[in-house]
Amino acid sequence: DIQMTQSPSSVSASVGDRVTITCRASQGISSWLAWYQQKPGKAPNLLIYTASSLQSGVPSRFSGSGSGTDFTLTISSLQPEDFATYYCQQSNSFPYTFGQGTKLEIK
Amino acid sequence: QVTLRESGPALVKPTQTLTLTCTFSGFSLSTSGMCVSWIRQPPGKALEWLARIDWDDDKYYRTSLKTRLTISKDTSKNQVVLTMTKMDPVDTATYYCARIISSSGHIDYWGQGTLVTVSS
Repeated sequence: DIQMTQSPSSVSASVGDRVTITCRASQGISSWLAWYQQKPGKAPNLLIYTASSLQSGVPSRFSGSGSGTDFTLTISSLQPEDFATYYCQQSNSFPYTFGQGTKLEIK
Repeated sequence: QVTLRESGPALVKPTQTLTLTCTFSGFSLSTSGMCVSWIRQPPGKALEWLARIDWDDDKYYRTSLKTRLTISKDTSKNQVVLTMTKMDPVDTATYYCARIISSSGHIDYWGQGTLVTVSS
């Protein structure tokens, strides 16, 4: 199975900050990577798919990049509603796997 | 508008079999490229992908749970059913069903989730 490792596990930031979250795959997954945002008690919400494609309706301050084994999710200017937990997920091969999550907290 | 809703027991006893039903609308599982997956999340922990069923009835499972999981579909009812045998307290989690587009494998729509507690 492909292991997905996110870093950091948690990060504290302020409104207006630029934040980058990293996801590393244990083997190459081309661009078959998605990013999700999850708020407490809610289902995850798709942000980015195929590594860099922005899901319809998601603010443009969210962006994704990378291919192969290393990927990043960047939030260009944090807004209050962005404080949540973020997960990456690979769909290169079965079984699909998620990262362990990155919790973005208010500083 | 795509919606998915999970249903099933909130409490099961250890060793019992769990049966969850996902009822969806806004798409058809007979349409090429459409898939439904189950994902779970233990309290305070990360998401775990469990299984996927495709429009052509192909099925895929989480490696560590492959012997305990069965996914099936009833296209006429717009339903997908997941069964998990030999339930254990470590299987306590919120279980989500979700739609996947096979061409990219990302999950574009999620159900609200249903909490299943395993306890005697």
